[in-house]
Amino acid sequence: SQQGEEDPQALSIQEGENATMNCSYKTSINNLQWYRQNSGRGLVHLILIRSNEREKHSGRLRVTLDTSKKSSSLLITASRAADTASYFCAIGSSNTGKLIFGQGTTLQVKP
Amino acid sequence: DTGVSQDPRHKITKRGQNVTFRCDPISEHNRLYWYRQTLGQGPEFLTYFQNEAQLEKSRLLSDRFSAERPKGSFSTLEIQRTEQGDSAMYLCASSSALGGVGYGYTFGSGTRLTVV
Repeated sequence: SQQGEEDPQALSIQEGENATMNCSYKTSINNLQWYRQNSGRGLVHLILIRSNEREKHSGRLRVTLDTSKKSSSLLITASRAADTASYFCAIGSSNTGKLIFGQGTTLQVKP
Repeated sequence: DTGVSQDPRHKITKRGQNVTFRCDPISEHNRLYWYRQTLGQGPEFLTYFQNEAQLEKSRLLSDRFSAERPKGSFSTLEIQRTEQGDSAMYLCASSSALGGVGYGYTFGSGTRLTVV
């Protein structure tokens, strides 16, 4: 399956701590993307990393990609209560732009 | 442009009825995607369009489901003879397709369907 598998399924941390979420996949990829979803809402694109990139940063977000291990991680530094949401990795394996989403990690940041 | 719009936000229907959802993508985006999401799960791919052409349909999309994107602008997703198992959030997303490399999606807020 192309679907990303995310770990952990749920994560609870205190405000100010860092949160790390992992995504593993089985096929070759064109790109890997991370999205955030607040309860009952649509998904918001966070960051895209291409298969020839190893690391990208966006504000407090850091994404790494290891194509040899077929895995990616999303690090949120200095977390805030507003970061509480579900986070999904999405695999882009062709030039069609189609994405296959993982099951997500639910992050709770306690104030 | 205010992003991707979906209408309605909520729909409650009786089993066996037909429902139709509308999605208005970002005007510059030539790709449009439909996904379905149930509680606690990630979005599942249903179908996608490049301009007006429907290029791929998931096996999840039974013959009761049909999608259109006339003139490559807005899209509609119709479910005929709804079943309780169709209850889900239906998400629409759009993206541009330049250079053949994936771009991030912009999602709408979704249509929540409840079949009773």
